[in-house]
Amino acid sequence: RKEVEQDPGPFNVPEGATVAFNCTYSNSASQSFFWYRQDCRKEPKLLMSVYSSGNEDGRFTAQLNRASQYISLLIRDSKLSDSATYLCVVKALTGGFKTIFGAGTRLFVKA
Amino acid sequence: DAGVIQSPRHEVTEMGQEVTLRCKPISGHDYLFWYRQTMMRGLELLIYFNNNVPIDDSGMPEDRFSAKMPNASFSTLKIQPSEPRDSAVYFCASSYTSGVFNEKLFFGSGTQLSVL
Repeated sequence: RKEVEQDPGPFNVPEGATVAFNCTYSNSASQSFFWYRQDCRKEPKLLMSVYSSGNEDGRFTAQLNRASQYISLLIRDSKLSDSATYLCVVKALTGGFKTIFGAGTRLFVKA
Repeated sequence: DAGVIQSPRHEVTEMGQEVTLRCKPISGHDYLFWYRQTMMRGLELLIYFNNNVPIDDSGMPEDRFSAKMPNASFSTLKIQPSEPRDSAVYFCASSYTSGVFNEKLFFGSGTQLSVL
């Protein structure tokens, strides 16, 4: 079983739609959680951290459920520029800060 | 700051040849990670270092792969001998620890490796 699992998609949505991505992780000792964004042929970049109480950054909302070992990302009012791959990231302190990426969920936003 | 610098950007080699990928992390960062990305397997953690010391190399696929970090400003990932299934994008990333938190990863632009 992979340490971090995501639905690979792709998700094809029209502009203005709301879309949600899910992620599960297997290491119950995981401490920090993030969503990264990766554009085609580019390196991943941090989109947002995920806090236990849930957090919002503009059109993006992240949620964490530690009991179910589940993370989510909600994108409201999708823009064409949101088309990318969204990577769920989990960090666990195991000797050092081991950082594991999910395989990513591809999103295509169409006009 | 120049960011994480990887070289070469592209490498094309023949099966059996030695390949060396290079990474210069951001100055002051105490963690360095090597990842490999393919369509089939996504972004896989190969190895990571803390203060130049390898912490976890359980992701290194086999003995053909080795990584070193001789000092805080330089790391290499070597494949010897290379095989076609090693073809992938190899990313280096660095981060720093602030108190009990390890901050976000900064990625290099990656090395696109093609083994023919």
